[in-house]
Amino acid sequence: EPEVTQTPSHQVTQMGQEVILRCVPISNHLYFYWYRQILGQKVEFLVSFYNNEISEKSEIFDDQFSVERPDGSNFTLKIRSTKLEDSAMYFCASSAQGANTGELFFGEGSRLTVL
Amino acid sequence: GDSVTQMEGPVTLSEEAFLTINCTYTATGYPSLFWYVQYPGEGLQLLLKATKADDKGSNKGFEATYRKETTSFHLEKGSVQVSDSAVYFCALEGAGGTSYGKLTFGQGTILTVHP
Repeated sequence: EPEVTQTPSHQVTQMGQEVILRCVPISNHLYFYWYRQILGQKVEFLVSFYNNEISEKSEIFDDQFSVERPDGSNFTLKIRSTKLEDSAMYFCASSAQGANTGELFFGEGSRLTVL
Repeated sequence: GDSVTQMEGPVTLSEEAFLTINCTYTATGYPSLFWYVQYPGEGLQLLLKATKADDKGSNKGFEATYRKETTSFHLEKGSVQVSDSAVYFCALEGAGGTSYGKLTFGQGTILTVHP
């Protein structure tokens, strides 16, 4: 069964460092997303991406964050200068259509720890 | 804005017990409603969904009915199994068709089923 894969599964970094989280969505999907879950809190929407551009982003997704689909298969989330409060589980997801007509498929998550 | 409130957990049941996990929401219009499940070590998976009032979503013995009058989407299963142990997330996608895949999640409910 096709699945969304994420790397790394866990990354520890120092505050102020750049981090890139990688995702390989399901191959025929058109919509891509990043969500995050801070420990003990809700899963929160960060950004959606379609047709090589951001469709929507939350207020969390500030100038420190960027997304890219560099080669037609990977989908990356970059945090330019990490802060302590960026520590969270980051989930990548993809869908063939919008969620109300199709489902989102999530990866297992990448745990980011900022020291 | 949109919000989802889930029953606080964790929930611990014996095998074959009846399960209810409550979920209520706040949203304008008619959002689409979802239950996602996360098994240990895996990503979130769509369990069931309902896209309009009075729809019943069902899958793997789980059911939930979209109740517009009570703004609820409670998850039920008549007889749980040990393999149902997981984290369950209620979520909505706002109406209007402009926010595909932008899900608002509840806080998640940890379910543990004992033999």
